[in-house]
Amino acid sequence: QVQLVESGGGLVKPGGSLRLSCAASGFTFSDYYMSWIRQAPGKGLEWVSYISSSGSTIYYADSVKGRFTISRDNAKNSLYLQMNSLRAEDTAVYYCARLRFLEWTLSYYFDYWGQGTLVTVSS
Amino acid sequence: SYELTQPLSVSVALGQTARITCGGNNIGSKNVHWYQQKPGQAPVLVIYRDSNRPSGIPERFSGSNSGNTATLTISRAQAGDEADYYCQVWDSSSLFGGGTKLTVL
Repeated sequence: QVQLVESGGGLVKPGGSLRLSCAASGFTFSDYYMSWIRQAPGKGLEWVSYISSSGSTIYYADSVKGRFTISRDNAKNSLYLQMNSLRAEDTAVYYCARLRFLEWTLSYYFDYWGQGTLVTVSS
Repeated sequence: SYELTQPLSVSVALGQTARITCGGNNIGSKNVHWYQQKPGQAPVLVIYRDSNRPSGIPERFSGSNSGNTATLTISRAQAGDEADYYCQVWDSSSLFGGGTKLTVL
């Protein structure tokens, strides 16, 4: 069965950095686009970034562009999110999710999600 | 920028039908996906492409999309359906609605 397990969250000071990881199993990781989605405490879902199966195509939300970097290691079945210049508003649970495109469209959805890892940015 | 509007809360009596809406300008021209999130848990996909159910999702969950409103319908509501529900579309990037809390009375 598909499993996504995030790690690397924690408490960090404003301006600091953190690297999140997502270990994937139960499917051929290298065949799928992957994404990070976050949820601030008590708030809704916000898409953060996605990366293509090969890693050659990457998109970011405007709110994180220039500060966050998504990457993957298909040999290790792992997805990463390097977060720099962190702000209080980046405080959230970060989920990794498998992304599925609808055929012949740019529309996509997220069919499997990990349990998330909490990032708290506070002094 | 495109916006999705969901009611903050919806209540339904046990065994009755709940309808959760997701409003957006001409949303009927877009593909809408729905997620269920129970407290302390990750979201789960319940409907994709307006009205398709992933394997393992009960037939009680259905979806429709037309005009300016997409609707998630939950028939014969159960206590276990209590959760937050989010709609999602793509419009130059992925967008989520604000979420609707479903209460089963």
